Amino acid sequence: SAVISQKPSRDICQRGTSLTIQCQVDSQVTMMFWYRQQPGQSLTLIATANQGSEATYESGFVIDKFPISRPNLTFSTLTVSNMSPEDSSIYLCSVGTGPPYEQYFGPGTRLTVT
Amino acid sequence: GEDVEQSLFLSVREGDSSVINCTYTDSSSTYLYWYKQEPGAGLQLLTYIFSNMDMKQDQRLTVLLNKKDKHLSLRIADTQTGDSAIYFCAEEAGSARQLTFGSGTQLTVLP
Repeated sequence: SAVISQKPSRDICQRGTSLTIQCQVDSQVTMMFWYRQQPGQSLTLIATANQGSEATYESGFVIDKFPISRPNLTFSTLTVSNMSPEDSSIYLCSVGTGPPYEQYFGPGTRLTVT
Repeated sequence: GEDVEQSLFLSVREGDSSVINCTYTDSSSTYLYWYKQEPGAGLQLLTYIFSNMDMKQDQRLTVLLNKKDKHLSLRIADTQTGDSAIYFCAEEAGSARQLTFGSGTQLTVLP
């Protein structure tokens, strides 16, 4: 298994500002992912952040808006840039381990943009 | 593209069995997962099944996979009030290991 922590756990931010979310894992993992969960919705993949390569973004998400760093095998950051109220969501990081091939999630960062 | 569907709500009486269903469309799925999300919390991995299996049992949880019909179910035996939560199924396809999630099923356990 993997134990994942995220900082901050929640934040309230003003429109036009940026927030950087940190994700720390208790073991070395190659595969790390960032997801967004909008209020009352399911999870949508933002990007894949594998160590040693550039982050790969899903359709509808761009690097200028959601820059990602992955400096080592236990840590990643996601920045939400130039925020608007539509960015209010829970942002979750996850890691893929294995074998056995399991995927674990962090507790999430609840972001409110006013 | 991939699509994963779940019914939105399920209510059961405490002590009964709960069955949460999920259908998916990607025939190349390798792993299928069940996650539990309690209010205000992150996702807890409950169990998963590899695509070459048709059943997996883990204590009160039984996962059934019908690959021909692309149907996945999670049975919770002796459902307790602490099982009340949203349950997400998710499929993983391909070496990139990205997950596609269903909409989630809100399970309510009535006393």
